[in-house]
Order: sequence, then C-alpha cells, then structure tokens
Amino acid sequence: AQTVTQSQPEMSVQEAETVTLSCTYDTSESDYYLFWYKQPPSRQMILVIRQEAYKQQNATENRFSVNFQKAAKSFSLKISDSQLGDAAMYFCAVNAGGTSYGKLTFGQGTILTVHP
Amino acid sequence: DTEVTQTPKHLVMGMTNKKSLKCEQHMGHRAMYWYKQKAKKPPELMFVYSYEKLSINESVPSRFSPECPNSSLLNLHLHALQPEDSALYLCASSIRGDLSGANVLTFGAGSRLTVL
Repeated sequence: AQTVTQSQPEMSVQEAETVTLSCTYDTSESDYYLFWYKQPPSRQMILVIRQEAYKQQNATENRFSVNFQKAAKSFSLKISDSQLGDAAMYFCAVNAGGTSYGKLTFGQGTILTVHP
Repeated sequence: DTEVTQTPKHLVMGMTNKKSLKCEQHMGHRAMYWYKQKAKKPPELMFVYSYEKLSINESVPSRFSPECPNSSLLNLHLHALQPEDSALYLCASSIRGDLSGANVLTFGAGSRLTVL
C-alpha cells in the first residue's frame, strides 16, 4: 500500500515571493515515482513536476523545484517568483509498482492563494 | 493533439436515467483511466484500461459501467445513480500500457455530474 500526506490544507504567498508546499509519503516499494499535480479552478489536473525515487538529484522545472529526502520520505515543492496563475489546488502523488501497480495515489491537497 | 477531451462538461440526471460520459485522446496512449473527485478532495481511481482491456476495477458499484471501444475512446455508462454519486469525473491517459510507476497521466478537464 502507498499513502501520501499533505499537512497544509491552505497556503498563501505574495506575488513574486517563494512558497514551499510539504508532502510526506509512505510505500514499501523500492522503485517508485513522485509527482506534483496542479488543479486550477478550470478543474484540469496539470503535471507540475516528476521525481524518480532512484535519482538523488532534485527535479526542477523552471520556477518549480522539489526537495526530495528519500530517507525521510519527504517530497516538498518550492515555487519561486510566484505568479497569480499559480493559484490552484496542489496535489502530491506517488506511483509505485508491486501491489499498487498502476495506481496513482494522491494526498489531500493544498490550496494555494497568490496575493497581488 | 496533446489533449484528453471529455464530454459533456456538465451533466444533470435523475436517479432513473441512463447517461454516458465520453473521453477521447489521439496521442496514441495505451492506458486510460477514470477517476472520481468530490469537491476539495483528491481524485479517487475507479477503473484502468490497459491495451483496451480492463486492468483495474477499484470495487466500483455496478451502476458505473466502463467501456473501451478502441484505443482512443473510453466511455463511462451511468445507470440508476444516487445523489452521492454527484462529483467531477476525470478521465486520464498515459503513454505506457504497462501501468508502471513511471507513467505520467494526462488528464482531461472533467465532466461535472449532478444526480437529482
């Protein structure tokens, strides 16, 4: 089984500032992948960033980067130079093999508000 | 074409109606998924089709009936639904049909279902 916990139901940030969203996960598998998805009010889930567990280097996509701490099973998302368009619900997710084969498990989500 | 298209965007139905949700992708993806999402909650997996065969059924009630007529199309047939089935229904697809943890899901914008 795999679980994901996002302990921050809501976060807010000023435009152009930096914000970090927290995520912890648990899986018994050694090979797994971690994801951050964004869901704006338009409802469509959009992939923000992906991290392979076997890679030590933290993934980066433009203003988005992760802090992956494998031993601590922590996978936080940092958004730099926040923009109004970053306002959305952010979901952390894990996908492993084994008995969770094919199943993307999401955390409860963090609502991010960006203030102008 | 890099999209997953879902129709209709909104659907209102009575408990005795029969309706269908449709999902289409032309990206050559080999796996397709149905998720159910309640307001401010994470998506919950319902069904997965891999190479047009049903691979995962997350113990979904039989009033939901999936169908995959071809590799580009996924339907969800609805019959005798309950008001608690009102939710956003998300379709997704992934390029790999082997349902490994590496799969990146591309989501549609969802169909908002209201059961009266």
